[in-house]
Amino acid sequence: NAGVTQTPKFQVLKTGQSMTLQCAQDMNHEYMSWYRQDPGMGLRLIHYSVGAGITDQGEVPNGYNVSRSTTEDFPLRLLSAAPSQTSVYFCASSTSQGYTEAFFGQGTRLTVV
Amino acid sequence: SQKIEQNSEALNIQEGKTATLTCNYTNYSPAYLQWYRQDPGRGPVFLLLIRENEKEKRKERLKVTFDTTLKQSLFHITASQPADSATYLCALDPDSGGYQKVTFGTGTKLQVIP
Repeated sequence: NAGVTQTPKFQVLKTGQSMTLQCAQDMNHEYMSWYRQDPGMGLRLIHYSVGAGITDQGEVPNGYNVSRSTTEDFPLRLLSAAPSQTSVYFCASSTSQGYTEAFFGQGTRLTVV
Repeated sequence: SQKIEQNSEALNIQEGKTATLTCNYTNYSPAYLQWYRQDPGRGPVFLLLIRENEKEKRKERLKVTFDTTLKQSLFHITASQPADSATYLCALDPDSGGYQKVTFGTGTKLQVIP
């Protein structure tokens, strides 16, 4: 069982470039989320999904897109990278809505120059 | 506004002692509260969950208390070891349903000194 796998681990982008952060889980979890973690800010929810074909915005969705075509995969797209998107990004999954632990990936450290 | 506060200063403790970390919240009525451990360069790892109607939960050397009157959770590690050194995050659900609404604190860094 690999759990939650994120790729890449590190990425440097130029302002204006686009890219996709990949997230895959092999635990058949319905719920998946993307967070960003910045110093002094804690984890902040970007987008989440409660099942294949269903996504919704979290606390800080601007500049990011998501889709959920399968249960396993939940990619995060940066449409036009900005220096303010420099952060560590974590994908998480869980079995149900609330009252359950979340499983996190190893994170993607993104720098936008 | 809703706020979760964890001590932003690092907590240094001698090996063998009990470490106590605090999570305070305001303007929430959480249904449950979770604690996670995060090592440098890694994602958070779930440790314990405590529900609003539970006063205390234990797991091996870990103990969590949840006081909804004080709006506070305490996380204890007894007989602390250098391997316990990490950042500990609390997370709570401001409503009684909806994982997507879980909010995380900024974490407290614990350093256990041999």
